[in-house]
Amino acid sequence: KAGVTQTPRYLIKTRGQQVTLSCSPISGHRSVSWYQQTPGQGLQFLFEYFSETQRNKGNFPGRFSGRQFSNSRSEMNVSTLELGDSALYLCASSFQGRDTIYFGEGSWLTVV
Amino acid sequence: KQEVTQIPAALSVPEGENLVLNCSFTDSAIYNLQWFRQDPGKGLTSLLLIQSSQREQTSGRLNASLDKSSGRSTLYIAASQPGDSATYLCAARKVDNNDMRFGAGTRLTVKP
Repeated sequence: KAGVTQTPRYLIKTRGQQVTLSCSPISGHRSVSWYQQTPGQGLQFLFEYFSETQRNKGNFPGRFSGRQFSNSRSEMNVSTLELGDSALYLCASSFQGRDTIYFGEGSWLTVV
Repeated sequence: KQEVTQIPAALSVPEGENLVLNCSFTDSAIYNLQWFRQDPGKGLTSLLLIQSSQREQTSGRLNASLDKSSGRSTLYIAASQPGDSATYLCAARKVDNNDMRFGAGTRLTVKP
């Protein structure tokens, strides 16, 4: 059974640009959540999607957005990138959202 | 607001030693608590999930306990090995908003 797949693994963007990250959950999982991990703030919850609906949202500015498709694949978008957005972005999936969650390897974003 | 704290922040032990990692949370209204390990530059690997109604879970050399009333969970690792070296994180899922809050982690080093 394939795990959670995130693409791209590494990317470098310039301030002001926008970026889209993709996440393919484990087959059969309908819940996808996104996290930002930085050395200073640790792991912080961005949002959760379940059956194409945003079910929960963390405390991040509106520049951070996401969506989920009918096949449960999810994307997150960050617009008007800032230096402070440099982080490891992790996607996790679970069957229904309250059970065991499984993480992908993450997408390393560097903003210069 | 749920706060999750992990002590110690770092731990170094000789191979073969049994050890305990601690996790405390301020809001006892949790749905479950999950332990993860994270290797440098990688995503998180799920180790154990304890439902709020459970007291402990075991997997191989790992045993996790949960005391909701005192807001504490411990991860016991028996007969530690160098391959156990990683950062261990705990995360508590709140009942009211399904929010999952992570601790900052304990960085474990097991010396051969």
